[in-house]
Amino acid sequence: QVQLVESGGGVVQPGRSLRLSCAASGFILSSYAVHWVRQAPGKGLEWVAVISFDGRSKYYADSVQGRFTISRDNSKDALYLQMNSLRTEDTAIYHCVRGELRLPFDYWGQGTPVTVSS
Amino acid sequence: QSVLTQPPSASGTPGQRVSISCSGSSSNIGSNYIYWYQHLPGTAPKLLIFRNNQRPSGVPDRFSGSKSGTSASLAISGLRSEDEADYYCVAWDDSLRGVVFGGGTKLTVL
Repeated sequence: QVQLVESGGGVVQPGRSLRLSCAASGFILSSYAVHWVRQAPGKGLEWVAVISFDGRSKYYADSVQGRFTISRDNSKDALYLQMNSLRTEDTAIYHCVRGELRLPFDYWGQGTPVTVSS
Repeated sequence: QSVLTQPPSASGTPGQRVSISCSGSSSNIGSNYIYWYQHLPGTAPKLLIFRNNQRPSGVPDRFSGSKSGTSASLAISGLRSEDEADYYCVAWDDSLRGVVFGGGTKLTVL
């Protein structure tokens, strides 16, 4: 069955970096775009970034543009989110989500928590 | 402040019909499909409506979507207790070149 499993979350100080990973199984990763979507405590869902099936197209939310980088390694069935210059407002659960480049999402991972705090 | 505007809350009694609105602009709802997701805390969001008014297999026909201009709405008829959840509208935005979410509507079944 389709599975997306995120890892790499944790507690980090403001200004530091963190790299999230997403392991995909049960489908051919190279056929799908993948998004990162986050949910801050008590807040709604917020889209973070998307990468096309072949990695050639990448788009970011304004709130993370220039600080976060999305990438993928189809040979390893893996997705990544490099998060630099982290801010307290980046605190959230980060979900890896399979879908099409311009929607919809279909399968979601359970998420990995990121806490940015001094 | 979300790009797509939804009411923060909605409510209804069992059997009633409720509607959740989603307002956007020409760069998102006005020129792209709208999608609706149902989210129960601790679970993965579920696609309810795709391409404005299409239901994935398995979604009851109690759920329906519509779009007009730069606004969209999700209607739930025959309200049931298990419909109590957060509902999000989502669309691609051509100007922002990214996905935009509504702020979410918490539906309470009284």
